[in-house]
Amino acid sequence: AQRVTQPEKLLSVFKGAPVELKCNYSYSGSPELFWYVQYSRQRLQLLLRHISRESIKGFTADLNKGETSFHLKKPFAQEEDSAMYYCALRRDDKIIFGKGTRLHILP
Amino acid sequence: NAGVTQTPKFRILKIGQSMTLQCTQDMNHNYMYWYRQDPGMGLKLIYYSVGAGITDKGEVPNGYNVSRSTTEDFPLRLELAAPSQTSVYFCASSYPGVTNEKLFFGSGTQLSVL
Repeated sequence: AQRVTQPEKLLSVFKGAPVELKCNYSYSGSPELFWYVQYSRQRLQLLLRHISRESIKGFTADLNKGETSFHLKKPFAQEEDSAMYYCALRRDDKIIFGKGTRLHILP
Repeated sequence: NAGVTQTPKFRILKIGQSMTLQCTQDMNHNYMYWYRQDPGMGLKLIYYSVGAGITDKGEVPNGYNVSRSTTEDFPLRLELAAPSQTSVYFCASSYPGVTNEKLFFGSGTQLSVL
């Protein structure tokens, strides 16, 4: 069965330090992967998708099929990055989410 | 510019009661989803629909029912509420197959079953 694993429940990073939120997936086909973010008192929203190969708010994520990973990275953390981050996988008509990682940026 | 609207925002139920969580979207999206969010467990897919008249089970469908009589509405029904159904419920919609596809989420319904 398809699965999305986010091994860290909580990640604390100092402002200005690099950020890496880990995501591993299991899927036998060609995966379609996303990162969603939930800021405090806001709705869940798309951060980025692998197919677009985009950078949003300084975040990037590269699909590594060999390691079945889609880690989210940012070179310099900002306080406004504090939020809950979810990695998600589309399989046919379903979108499956990981358990999420809470990112806490320390001043 | 409503997007995805969920009602109610909060509800307390007694064990065994029933209720319907409402979800409506005004973007003419084909696909709609119901998720529950539990602390430390992330988002679990309950049911989804790819169009009016079509629904299918997700990861955790037990104890829930859905219907999709129109493109706009996708209500979630709890027939016999149980404490295990205490959660935050999110409805989402999308129009897949486009290059900028994404899920649009509602603001959530916080449900407590006591």
